[in-house]
Amino acid sequence: EAEVAQSPRYKITEKSQAVAFWCDPISGHATLYWYRQILGQGPELLVQFQDESVVDDSQLPKDRFSAERLKGVDSTLKIQPAELGDSAMYLCASSIQGLDSQETQYFGPGTRLLVL
Amino acid sequence: GNSVTQMEGPVTLSEEAFLTINCTYTATGYPSLFWYVQYPGEGLQLLLKATKADDKGSNKGFEATYRKETTSFHLEKGSVQVSDSAVYFCALGRGDMRFGAGTRLTVKP
Repeated sequence: EAEVAQSPRYKITEKSQAVAFWCDPISGHATLYWYRQILGQGPELLVQFQDESVVDDSQLPKDRFSAERLKGVDSTLKIQPAELGDSAMYLCASSIQGLDSQETQYFGPGTRLLVL
Repeated sequence: GNSVTQMEGPVTLSEEAFLTINCTYTATGYPSLFWYVQYPGEGLQLLLKATKADDKGSNKGFEATYRKETTSFHLEKGSVQVSDSAVYFCALGRGDMRFGAGTRLTVKP
């Protein structure tokens, strides 16, 4: 069964350093999402792509976060500089419209970030 | 805007007990409803979904019915197992997903 791939699985960094996360969606899924999940909470959307275009980045802290999906396939999320409050799980999801026009998102295993 | 409210956990049950995790929602239009499960250190796995009112989603013995009149999507399982221990998230949306805070379930042998 096809899966969403993410790397690295774990990342420890010091504050003010730069970090980057990578996501490879399920083949053929045009829509890609990045979520942040703080411990003990549900995921919150950071950015949504449709192919290579950003559809929604209203919750992305653009002063330090950036995301790209240059060829409309895999994607990179970057944080520079990292802050202590960025410690969280970063989840990538992808989706395709179902035959009934409903959408289901499939999640990768996540990258757990710890900022020291 | 759309939002989801889940019953707070943690929930601790004995093996073979009946499970209910409550979920209510506020939404404009008719979004799809989902239950996701998250095991320790892993991402979210889709457990079941329902796309319109009165639909029942089911998977691995879990069920949930999309109730428009009570704006609810409660998760149920007749007999839980130790392997069901995880965090369960209710979610709604059509692209712009909204998740509940999650309910941690622990099943003891």
